Amino acid sequence: QVRLEESGGGVVQPGRSLRVSCATSGFVLSSFPMYWVRQAPGKGLEWVAVISFDGRNQYYADSVKGRFTISRDNDKDTVELRLNSLRANDTGVYFCARDIRVGSGHTGTFDLWGHGTVVTVSS
Amino acid sequence: QSALTQPASVSGSPGQSLTISCAGTRSDIGEYPFVSWYQHHPGQAPKLLIFEAFKRPSGVSDRFSGSKSGNAASLTISGLQPEDEAVYYCCSYAGVGSLFGGGTKVTVL
Repeated sequence: QVRLEESGGGVVQPGRSLRVSCATSGFVLSSFPMYWVRQAPGKGLEWVAVISFDGRNQYYADSVKGRFTISRDNDKDTVELRLNSLRANDTGVYFCARDIRVGSGHTGTFDLWGHGTVVTVSS
Repeated sequence: QSALTQPASVSGSPGQSLTISCAGTRSDIGEYPFVSWYQHHPGQAPKLLIFEAFKRPSGVSDRFSGSKSGNAASLTISGLQPEDEAVYYCCSYAGVGSLFGGGTKVTVL
């Protein structure tokens, strides 16, 4: 079964760090660009980061650039997001998503999503 | 870059059709073919309905259709059904990242 499953969310104090993970199954992870998308409470979806199929290229939203790091392990079928210097407005549900396109380049079209993991930044 | 602009809410009766608009700029919708639409029921994973402005993934009902003109796109739901009640998001590739609309809450009366 084709699936994405996020984990690692929790409550963390402002300024601290957290790592969220995405376990993938049912498809060849190494073929696809992968993303993190988040949703703040009561708000819409926000693109956070993308990593190329081979892990060589990463791009970030301005709101998280320099604080978050996306990575992948194609051998372990996982994608991760390291969240540093967390702020209250980083609170939300973090979704892992797959690009519809195989191989190089990315389209910003998400054909497979997980159910998300909740990150709460609060003192 | 600012988010794409969608109406906050629309409503319709079962069987009716409704259209959700999505306004962008020449730097996003107007520049790239990668406009997509998602259906999101609270607590669930978002679902891709339309990609490249008008294409439907396998398994998505043909009651959902999309179009694009200039810097704007739209999603039409035909034959509205109770299970269509959800939040709908448009999204456009914007040159590295993606921009989402603020979401439109569809209510089936």
